[in-house]
Amino acid sequence: EPEVTQTPSHQVTQMGQEVILRCVPISNHLYFYWYRQILGQKVEFLVSFYNNEISEKSEIFDDQFSVERPDGSNFTLKIRSTKLEDSAMYFCATQSGLNIQYFGAGTRLSVL
Amino acid sequence: QKEVEQDPGPLSVPEGAIVSLNCTYSNSAFQYFMWYRQYSRKGPELLMYTYSSGNKEDGRFTAQVDKSSKYISLFIRDSQPSDSATYLCAMTPGGGSYIPTFGRGTSLIVHP
Repeated sequence: EPEVTQTPSHQVTQMGQEVILRCVPISNHLYFYWYRQILGQKVEFLVSFYNNEISEKSEIFDDQFSVERPDGSNFTLKIRSTKLEDSAMYFCATQSGLNIQYFGAGTRLSVL
Repeated sequence: QKEVEQDPGPLSVPEGAIVSLNCTYSNSAFQYFMWYRQYSRKGPELLMYTYSSGNKEDGRFTAQVDKSSKYISLFIRDSQPSDSATYLCAMTPGGGSYIPTFGRGTSLIVHP
């Protein structure tokens, strides 16, 4: 069964450093999303991406965050200057034309 | 008032029990309702997907939606220890908006 692949599974970084989280979507999917889940809290929407541009973003997705598809396959989330409160699980999700999203296993980001 | 309310549990049941998981919501625009299962430190996995009111059955799982009461349920029959996970409800308005609003999840423990 096709799946969404995320790397790395765990990223440890120092406060103020830049991190890039990577996602390989399911091959025929057109819509891409990033979510985060702080430990013990809800899954929160960050951003959606379609046709090589951001289609929606939440209040969380401020100027510190950016997304891109650098090579037409990978989908990345960059955090420019990490803060302690950025520590969370980050999930990539992809979607075909139907209203169903498939999630990757996530990247656990630990900011020290 | 939070948009989607879900009792975090934990809900502990013996193997073979019927489990009932529930969410309430406040936004009458929601049309698509999903249940995800999330194992510890993994991404959400889509279990059930329903549109508007009614019931949907898939094996041991039954999803119910009552839009008049703004109440959705997931029933698990003959529960197994492997069903132990966190169950997230999620919903979207549809009509071009695919961003789900998640409940915070209910932790289910099925003990042998």
